[in-house]
Amino acid sequence: EDQVTQSPEALRLQEGESSSLNCSYTVSGLRGLFWYRQDPGKGPEFLFTLYSAGEEKEKERLKATLTKKESFLHITAPKPEDSATYLCAGRGGADGLTFGKGTHLIIQP
Amino acid sequence: GAVVSQHPSRVICKSGTSVKIECRSLDFQATTMFWYRQFPKQSLMLMATSNEGSKATYEQGVEKDKFLINHASLTLSTLTVTSAHPEDSSFYICSARVVAGGGKETQYFGPGTRLLVL
Repeated sequence: EDQVTQSPEALRLQEGESSSLNCSYTVSGLRGLFWYRQDPGKGPEFLFTLYSAGEEKEKERLKATLTKKESFLHITAPKPEDSATYLCAGRGGADGLTFGKGTHLIIQP
Repeated sequence: GAVVSQHPSRVICKSGTSVKIECRSLDFQATTMFWYRQFPKQSLMLMATSNEGSKATYEQGVEKDKFLINHASLTLSTLTVTSAHPEDSSFYICSARVVAGGGKETQYFGPGTRLLVL
């Protein structure tokens, strides 16, 4: 059974304080590792898809990396508007995604 | 990115009634859409895969006769919760798959539908 585990569950940072969110996965035949941002009461907003170990992608203050067992979402000099829940999901042989429980990130001004 | 809409955004119904939720891909065609459910402070759980022109595939533990899915066109999938009960109250979110060259894909999500069954 595919599993995705995210840590920490919650993270509080000061504005400008960089950090990383972790996503450990056990997904058979990984065909994509996805990162989404979810604001309260909203659907997930697509950030990145990573396909192979060693791949990296960046968007503004976010950078996602992938190894054979983990993915990291690095947040550099975050701003209050980066506060959200960040979701990691894996796609294996099945069509749908297996999601982790997310990391609730709060950036304090 | 691609845009996916859902309607309604929020619905309150009485126990025993049926509720239909629509999911539309606005600027692209989607042969495959997905329905997820999210309970408070939990992650998204896949309920079913909706394929245009064919029967939906349901995840283990999801009752196909209770959650009816229809994907009659390349831009519309509907989820009908039949004989809804309070335990069906949840946040229902659809997604649509976009496949690029080389097998690369993305799933774009709708804004979600909050269902409250009284």
